[in-house]
Amino acid sequence: ETGVTQTPRHLVMGMTNKKSLKCEQHLGHNAMYWYKQSAKKPLELMFVYSLEERVENNSVPSRFSPECPNSSHLFLHLHTLQPEDSALYLCASSQDHGGPYGYTFGSGTRLTVV
Amino acid sequence: GQNIDQPTEMTATEGAIVQINCTYQTSGFNGLFWYQQHAGEAPTFLSYNVLDGLEEKGRFSSFLSRSKGYSYLLLKELQMKDSASYLCAVPFNAGNMLTFGGGTRLMVKP
Repeated sequence: ETGVTQTPRHLVMGMTNKKSLKCEQHLGHNAMYWYKQSAKKPLELMFVYSLEERVENNSVPSRFSPECPNSSHLFLHLHTLQPEDSALYLCASSQDHGGPYGYTFGSGTRLTVV
Repeated sequence: GQNIDQPTEMTATEGAIVQINCTYQTSGFNGLFWYQQHAGEAPTFLSYNVLDGLEEKGRFSSFLSRSKGYSYLLLKELQMKDSASYLCAVPFNAGNMLTFGGGTRLMVKP
């Protein structure tokens, strides 16, 4: 596979559930990102990893927990979410986090919290 | 801080030309990106401007004026498939962490 792949594409979870979103890139990029896209709001940066180290945590609630085991994989662990967390969660990668490189985005996970 | 403004919605006719504007305020400029996002799909890279002027790429062109904090995306010979959201983004922290505008939803009508 090429590009950035996110699974699952759709997820419905209860507020007491624990689930994980997965992102995988086959582009040889060193930086990976999680963004949240809510209806009628700009894309919001959540987390940035560069060479598997977290370099940015944009004041995200602790019910979202990222994990980057290697430069090709990124996870977002979810627990005790709220209905307002329902959104499209986009993963992206870029060559590096330190220069103006364009992102390659995955198709996203559409999350619904009930 | 960062602030990016773009119109929420625009409508244009197939075959016409449309200009989507973006104004930004940022401490330390490191270029400006435009992305296209079709409904339910991933955003895809369209253009990157770091110097003033117009960059042309087929039917799409992007313009930048750093002194005015202003950019626009110009779409020529509009096609129905150009109906999408167009996102303006700038990096912050002198790095590659992008801040996005709210996006402009373009509807192309026959």
